[in-house]
Amino acid sequence: QQQVKQSPQSLIVQKGGISIINCAYENTAFDYFPWYQQFPGKGPALLIAIRPDVSEKKEGRFTISFNKSAKQFSLHIMDSQPGDSATYFCAASRPTGGGNKLTFGTGTQLKVEL
Amino acid sequence: DGGITQSPKYLFRKEGQNVTLSCEQNLNHDAMYWYRQDPGQGLRLIYYSQIVNDFQKGDIAEGYSVSREKKESFPLTVTSAQKNPTAFYLCASTLSGNQPQHFGDGTRLSIL
Repeated sequence: QQQVKQSPQSLIVQKGGISIINCAYENTAFDYFPWYQQFPGKGPALLIAIRPDVSEKKEGRFTISFNKSAKQFSLHIMDSQPGDSATYFCAASRPTGGGNKLTFGTGTQLKVEL
Repeated sequence: DGGITQSPKYLFRKEGQNVTLSCEQNLNHDAMYWYRQDPGQGLRLIYYSQIVNDFQKGDIAEGYSVSREKKESFPLTVTSAQKNPTAFYLCASTLSGNQPQHFGDGTRLSIL
C-alpha cells in the first residue's frame, strides 16, 4: 500500500517561474515531512522539512505548505532556475524507538528551461 | 569531512553470486538504513539498524542480508536469492530520534 502519493511525475517550468509539487499521505502517525533533491548519480540531499505543528516553512526560494486536516503538503520553488533541474522526493517519517522510518513518494522530475 | 561513504560506485553480479555493498559513516549516527531505488518507484526500505548488533527488516528485505558489528559500518549483502537485483542502492544514517536522514551517493548494481 503506497502511503505517500506524489504528483506530478514530471514537470517543466520556465526559468523564473514557480514549480509546485504535491504530496498526500494516509498514515496519521507521520510526524515529520522532509523534501529531498536528487541529481543523477547522486544520493538524495535534504532540501527542507516541516513538522505538522506549522502550516508553512520557507527557506530561501523553497517553501513547504502543510495542510494537516487534508493530509497534504506541497513544495513551492520560487524563481526556478536551470540549476534546480533534478528529481524531488517528498517523504513522511514516523519515529521507531532509536531512529525513524521514512516513506517516500515516487518522485518528480523537474526541468527548468531557459 | 563528515559524511557517508558508499563503495563501490558500480558493481556487477554474476548469476548465483552474492555481493556485498559497503556503507561507512563518520557522523557518529546511531541509526543506519539501506534503500533500493528503481525508476518511477521512489526509495524502498530494505533493512535498518538503530543500534550495534541489532537490525530490522524493512519493506523489501527478501534476498538481502545485513550486519551491524560497528556503529560506523552497515554492509548490505545482495544474495543469489534476490532475483531482480539491478538497482541503485542507497545507504542513509541519522541521529537517534526524529532527525533527518542523510544519504550516501549510492552503489549501482547490475547483472552480468
